[in-house]
Amino acid sequence: GAVVSQHPSWVICKSGTSVKIECRSLDFQATTMFWYRQFPKQSLMLMATSNEGSKATYEQGVEKDKFLINHASLTLSTLTVTSAHPEDSSFYICSAESRTEFSNTQYFGPGTRLTVL
Amino acid sequence: GQNIDQPTEMTATEGAIVQINCTYQTSGFNGLFWYQQHAGEAPTFLSYNVLDGLEEKGRFSSFLSRSKGYSYLLLKELQMKDSASYLCAGSGAAGNKLTFGGGTRVLVKP
Repeated sequence: GAVVSQHPSWVICKSGTSVKIECRSLDFQATTMFWYRQFPKQSLMLMATSNEGSKATYEQGVEKDKFLINHASLTLSTLTVTSAHPEDSSFYICSAESRTEFSNTQYFGPGTRLTVL
Repeated sequence: GQNIDQPTEMTATEGAIVQINCTYQTSGFNGLFWYQQHAGEAPTFLSYNVLDGLEEKGRFSSFLSRSKGYSYLLLKELQMKDSASYLCAGSGAAGNKLTFGGGTRVLVKP
């Protein structure tokens, strides 16, 4: 159980274009999903918290107009990187929160490697 | 948020035991997670501690002391495939966000 998928696995795009990344919880419902970014040899940095049916909450320094998040259902959240530039090249990872009586555990998707030329 | 500290790198021999320590700020702390991340892949969940004590799961065990703001992940009978980064992450009482440490890269040598 607790499987999270992410699509695409990798994407190469030209500077100025937009890229959409999908995150799906396959066998559980997730009211809350999270989007992280990870640069080489660094730890995960939280970008935003995605809540089903409401606006995402962005971390300080993350531009909400550049990183658009939509959480339209209990199993799907999308992150759109708008007008991508080379400095946006990174490993983007989503997680979905599984809630039980005892804990809230985040399960991660396989990640999306974005390269902006 | 939490300040999560863990060593940057550790090296151990196949078959040995390695202990990865993690310290955190106790104010606003709820529970502590350990994740394993292989290079180029996403993290996979290993353990969650909210109460003091040791939780054992096969070759991996995790310990928490809430009063000391301290946790460790114990890897026994190391295998080559255990070479990875191990991430310590704290969850706060005010919400469900995780704050990650920098990760500890463990290199298992033959």
